[in-house]
Amino acid sequence: ILNVEQSPQSLHVQEGDSTNFTCSFPSSNFYALHWYRWETAKSPEALFVMTLNGDEKKKGRISATLNTKEGYSYLYIKGSQPEDSATYLCAPTKYGNQFYFGTGTSLTVIP
Amino acid sequence: DAGVIQSPRHEVTEMGQEVTLRCKPISGHDYLFWYRQTMMRGLELLIYFNNNVPIDDSGMPEDRFSAKMPNASFSTLKIQPSEPRDSAVYFCASITLGGQDNTEAFFGQGTRLTVV
Repeated sequence: ILNVEQSPQSLHVQEGDSTNFTCSFPSSNFYALHWYRWETAKSPEALFVMTLNGDEKKKGRISATLNTKEGYSYLYIKGSQPEDSATYLCAPTKYGNQFYFGTGTSLTVIP
Repeated sequence: DAGVIQSPRHEVTEMGQEVTLRCKPISGHDYLFWYRQTMMRGLELLIYFNNNVPIDDSGMPEDRFSAKMPNASFSTLKIQPSEPRDSAVYFCASITLGGQDNTEAFFGQGTRLTVV
């Protein structure tokens, strides 16, 4: 089982603030990294898949970067809105396509 | 395709009873994963299958848990006997390999298990 760490565990921000959180993983045998957004009572929704060192992906106000050499990825949310409140999960995959999810960062955006 | 289908959506059972959770993956997907979600531990990978064969079951918490995939369209996760600490939401996910950029896990709606 891959050791995946996400920090912080939980985060409260005011509406309009920008925020970011981290996913750390072992860099050996890295294949791809997935970010998922998980709202309460719903199943996780895929946000990004990143594969190359230095990759940066963007979807609206959410963006992510990847450093495969040091084994981390950042997720950024610009101008947080209440509807961004969710748990954000990262899942690095190794060769063989095993998915290993971190415990997630729980984001609460306060109106 | 209707997506990954899990049943039941909710299950309440008494301690000591056998519980069976079911999952129908997306047709054509060759990987199937079982996860458990709790407040304390977040999302844990229990076991995954490739082409119906169990590949890694090191996440299965103990011998009371077992999983099978008799064919490409059906998998079960069984807990016998169940205990209150097994209470959690159990998710099933399926993926297919579309290259590094096109591999995405599709999740079912989950089964919320409560053991009293």
